[in-house]
Amino acid sequence: DVKVTQSSRYLVKRTGEKVFLECVQDMDHENMFWYRQDPGLGLRLIYFSYDVKMKEKGDIPEGYSVSREKKERFSLILESASTNQTSMYLCASSLSGYEQFFGPGTRLTVL
Amino acid sequence: GENVEQHPSTLSVQEGDSAVIKCTYSDSASNYFPWYKQELGKRPQLIIDIRSNVGEKKDQRIAVTLNKTAKHFSLHITETQPEDSAVYFCAAAGGTSYGKLTFGQGTILTVHP
Repeated sequence: DVKVTQSSRYLVKRTGEKVFLECVQDMDHENMFWYRQDPGLGLRLIYFSYDVKMKEKGDIPEGYSVSREKKERFSLILESASTNQTSMYLCASSLSGYEQFFGPGTRLTVL
Repeated sequence: GENVEQHPSTLSVQEGDSAVIKCTYSDSASNYFPWYKQELGKRPQLIIDIRSNVGEKKDQRIAVTLNKTAKHFSLHITETQPEDSAVYFCAAAGGTSYGKLTFGQGTILTVHP
C-alpha cells in the first residue's frame, strides 16, 4: 500500500510566522503535489514537483514556496502566514500514470 | 489552462436510488478523468477513472461515462447505500502535465436510509 504522511494533522500559527508543512511518501513516486481544500472550491493546486529539486507553480502559488531535496519528501512553506491561508492542506504523490495518493491532510489555522 | 466544472454541489437521495454527478472540462488535450471520494475527516481516495480512448467504465455499482466531443464526463452510482455518503470530486489531466490534476468543486452526496 502506498503511504503518504504529513507532519501534522492540526496546526495553529500566528500571523507573520513562517510555517513548514512536510509530506513524505514511501513508494518512490516521481510526482508530488500540494493542494489546499476549501469548502465549495474543491482542491486547488499550489505547487507540484516532478523530480528532486524541480518545482512548478500550480494555480494558486502566491504566498507559498516549496522544497524537494529528496525524492520522498516535499515541503510546503508559508513565508509569512496570513489569516487567508487558514485551510486544509493536502499532499499527494503519483507515478507518471496520473493516479494520485493523498496524505491525511493538515488543518492549518492562522490567528 | 484546464477548467473543470462540477454539478450539482449537493445531492440528496434515498437509499436504493441512483445518483449522477456531472463534470465538464475545457482542455481538449485532457485524456485522464478520475473520480475521488472523500469521507468526512478522511483523505480523498480514487474510486474509478477513465481514459479518453474509452467511453464507459464500470466497477460494481459505480460507472463513469465520457463524451469527448461535448467535453463532459459523469459518475453514476446505482443502488446507493448510506456508506456512499461523502464528497465526490471529478478531475481532469492530460498532455505533458506530469499528471497534474485539475479538480472540480466537489459534490456532497447524502444517502438517506
